[in-house]
Amino acid sequence: AQKITQTQPGMFVQEKEAVTLDCTYDTSDQSYGLFWYKQPSSGEMIFLIYQGSYDEQNATEGRYSLNFQKARKSANLVISASQLGDSAMYFCAMREYAGTYKYIFGTGTRLKVLA
Amino acid sequence: EAQVTQNPRYLITVTGKKLTVTCSQNMNHEYMSWYRQDPGLGLRQIYYSMNVEVTDKGDVPEGYKVSRKEKRNFPLILESPSPNQTSLYFCASRPPLEAGPSFTGELFFGEGSRLTVL
Repeated sequence: AQKITQTQPGMFVQEKEAVTLDCTYDTSDQSYGLFWYKQPSSGEMIFLIYQGSYDEQNATEGRYSLNFQKARKSANLVISASQLGDSAMYFCAMREYAGTYKYIFGTGTRLKVLA
Repeated sequence: EAQVTQNPRYLITVTGKKLTVTCSQNMNHEYMSWYRQDPGLGLRQIYYSMNVEVTDKGDVPEGYKVSRKEKRNFPLILESPSPNQTSLYFCASRPPLEAGPSFTGELFFGEGSRLTVL
C-alpha cells in the first residue's frame, strides 16, 4: 500500500543554518508526484515544492529544495538559511496516479528555528 | 482572488446533531477533496470528487457524506457526529489535468474548519 513516512516528529535548527526534513515513500506506481506543505501555527496549508517522479532534476523554490532519490524512495526537504518564520509543521505528501488521484500525507515534522 | 472557502471555521456541537461544513472554490477546479488532520496522524483523505456528480471514498470515509451538485461546491456532511470526529478539517481543490505540462497536482487548501463534538 502507498505510504509516506516522516520519522522526525520534531526538530530544532539554529537561525541561518540549513536543515533537512526527511520523507520516505512507498508506492508501486511508476508515475507519481511528491509535495511538501508548510503549516504555520495559524493553521493554513502552504504549498512549498513539487517533484514529479520522472523529473530528473531536483526541484528548487527559493530557499527550499527537494532532495529526490528515486531508488531509495526518499524526498527530503532542505531549507537553507533558516529563518524564524520557518518555524511550522511540515508535511510530505504523495499523489498517486492509477486513475484514482488519491493523496497521501505523512504525519508531519514540527520545525522550531532558534534565534 | 483565487481561493477555497470553508464554513464554519470553528464549530462546537453535540453528539448526533447533523452538521454540514461547506466548501466553495472560485477557480473552476474539477477536482475537490476533504481531509481531516489529527495529531500524530497527519492529514487523511475522507472523500474526493473528480467532477460534478462524481465522488469516491478516501481512506477514512466512515461517518461522512459528500455531494457534488455544482462544480464550485463540495459540502461535507456529518449525519450523526460523534466525539471521534473532533478534528481539523480541510477542503482542497486542484486544477484540471488539461492545464498543461506545468501541471503538478498541487492542492489548494481552504483555511480549515475546527470541529469539536461533545
